[in-house]
Amino acid sequence: NAGVTQTPKFQVLKTGQSMTLQCAQDMNHEYMSWYRQDPGMGLRLIHYSVGAGITDQGEVPNGYNVSRSTTEDFPLRLLSAAPSQTSVYFCASSYSQSTDTQYFGPGTRLTVL
Amino acid sequence: SQQGEEDPQALSIQEGENATMNCSYKTSINNLQWYRQNSGRGLVHLILIRSNEREKHSGRLRVTLDTSKKSSSLLITASRAADTASYFCATLTNAGGTSYGKLTFGQGTILTVHP
Repeated sequence: NAGVTQTPKFQVLKTGQSMTLQCAQDMNHEYMSWYRQDPGMGLRLIHYSVGAGITDQGEVPNGYNVSRSTTEDFPLRLLSAAPSQTSVYFCASSYSQSTDTQYFGPGTRLTVL
Repeated sequence: SQQGEEDPQALSIQEGENATMNCSYKTSINNLQWYRQNSGRGLVHLILIRSNEREKHSGRLRVTLDTSKKSSSLLITASRAADTASYFCATLTNAGGTSYGKLTFGQGTILTVHP
């Protein structure tokens, strides 16, 4: 299994540009989530999904959209990038949100100029 | 505000010593998990303790949970230089009365183990 994969690894955007961060897992996990990690702030939950077609907001959802059309994929869309969205983004998945280990992807380092 | 808060923010010890990190949280939880992150990498799960458990062991790791004080501790015994990393606690809580849970991370403790 490849586990949780994220693309791209690095990205530089200009203010106002839009883009999609990709996340995929091949473990048939129902639960997937997106976090951003900023220095001194730990990880903050952006959006999560408990299965295909079901998503919900986390702690810091503004400026981000998600969808879950398949079990495997959970893309994160930045609608109009802002410098405040400069961060490292992590995708995670687990078989069951209530019991299991979260498996994390390697992260995407995003810089918005 | 963060559900989980860790203490200390940074810890520096010598190889062979024990390292203890603490996590406090604010609301009722389903379980509490500890993760490790090496610099520039993703997080790796270490151990999970359920709300009805008080102590759990995994190799050199010992986790305790005190739900009355809303706190947990992670003890790493006989530390090694390779244990140098950031350690995060994460709490699972139910979201808005549904069965869906949210996993909320603390800010982490940076552990440095000197050879």
